[in-house]
Amino acid sequence: DVKVTQSSRYLVKRTGEKVFLECVQDMDHENMFWYRQDPGLGLRLIYFSYDVKMKEKGDIPEGYSVSREKKERFSLILESASTNQTSMYLCASSFKVWEQFFGPGTRLTVL
Amino acid sequence: GESVGLHLPTLSVQEGDNSIINCAYSNSASDYFIWYKQESGKGPQFIIDIRSNMDKRQGQRVTVLLNKTVKHLSLQIAATQPGDSAVYFCAEIFSGGFKTIFGAGTRLFVKA
Repeated sequence: DVKVTQSSRYLVKRTGEKVFLECVQDMDHENMFWYRQDPGLGLRLIYFSYDVKMKEKGDIPEGYSVSREKKERFSLILESASTNQTSMYLCASSFKVWEQFFGPGTRLTVL
Repeated sequence: GESVGLHLPTLSVQEGDNSIINCAYSNSASDYFIWYKQESGKGPQFIIDIRSNMDKRQGQRVTVLLNKTVKHLSLQIAATQPGDSAVYFCAEIFSGGFKTIFGAGTRLFVKA
């Protein structure tokens, strides 16, 4: 089975802090994704990557950056966390772009 | 604009009954539709997909129906069980698979 793991299930940070969310997949998938999930809005794509060192902006990239130095690892970075970035963050990976496998999510609270 | 929406935010069914979860979409140029299930504290899990050139696809206890005329997608769960309690999302995939729009989700409650 594909396994996608995220470094933290719950995270509490202060406004202005730099935040790193890590995602690791064990199936040698080329494509990896970061989403945020907010009540009533569904999943919204922040960034995705289709190869090492490659990244593409999704629908809401503002305030975020990403890093993909190794195929199995995709990091989401909040350079200066703000309260409106309080959300559930979901990482996914896929071989075929449309069949995505999700991690358990990280619930981030920014105070 | 492009959107994938759901008719009902919550659905409550009796154990053993059939469940029908609906989804409306607005983009006609879609390639695939997918239904995901998200249990509390977990990430979404793929349930079933359907290509845009199909009307119906069946899985184990689940059936997806696609009506392109009215841009409507539904997920039918037969003999609903307590383990089916979750949030269900529809997703529309287009642009050759590189764009996915997710619906907001329907929460399914199964009463014992």
